[in-house]
Amino acid sequence: EAGVVQSPRYKIIEKKQPVAFWCNPISGHNTLYWYLQNLGQGPELLIRYENEEAVDDSQLPKDRFSAERLKGVDSTLKIQPAELGDSAVYLCASSLENVAGEAEQFFGPGTRLTVL
Amino acid sequence: AQSVAQPEDQVNVAEGNPLTVKCTYSVSGNPYLFWYVQYPNRGLQFLLKYITGDNLVKGSYGFEAEFNKSQTSFHLKKPSALVSDSALYFCAVRRLTSGTYKYIFGTGTRLKVLA
Repeated sequence: EAGVVQSPRYKIIEKKQPVAFWCNPISGHNTLYWYLQNLGQGPELLIRYENEEAVDDSQLPKDRFSAERLKGVDSTLKIQPAELGDSAVYLCASSLENVAGEAEQFFGPGTRLTVL
Repeated sequence: AQSVAQPEDQVNVAEGNPLTVKCTYSVSGNPYLFWYVQYPNRGLQFLLKYITGDNLVKGSYGFEAEFNKSQTSFHLKKPSALVSDSALYFCAVRRLTSGTYKYIFGTGTRLKVLA
């Protein structure tokens, strides 16, 4: 079974440029997460989707970040414009979740973003 | 409010010795607790979870964890460490908030198993 796929794996851009990350979750997983991971830190949730609905985007900086999960399958996370402080690893995860939040998550390898 | 804490940034253990990676939590209600491992340049991998039932949970790669409600802890353990266990370990807790849930991850503990 294929795991969570993310692309690109690495991205280097100059500040104020836009950037987009793509994630394809495990087939059949209803819940998709985008996390930000800074060096030496644990993942921090940006947004959680249940199917195509964003059910928790409280930590997403909406002035510059946007996300979509059309048709409830793959997802795109965009930053426009990027700032120096956005340099981090962006992780996508998916799970087959129930209403109680019991399921383990499956993580992709992440996209390492460097903003110059 | 901090929901999960990993008090040790790094744990060193000799190969073949038992290992413990500590995690304490602070959430209301019944906690759902998880352990994940992260190898270099890779995403997190699920090891084990506690939802309910037996306080001793067994997971992947010979790891286990014990849920201790009185001490609000969920320490990860393995009887005999391998060099290949060297990685970054994250504890996570499900926290109920505003009618839904959120997973909060600890800051991670780097495990080094010395040959």
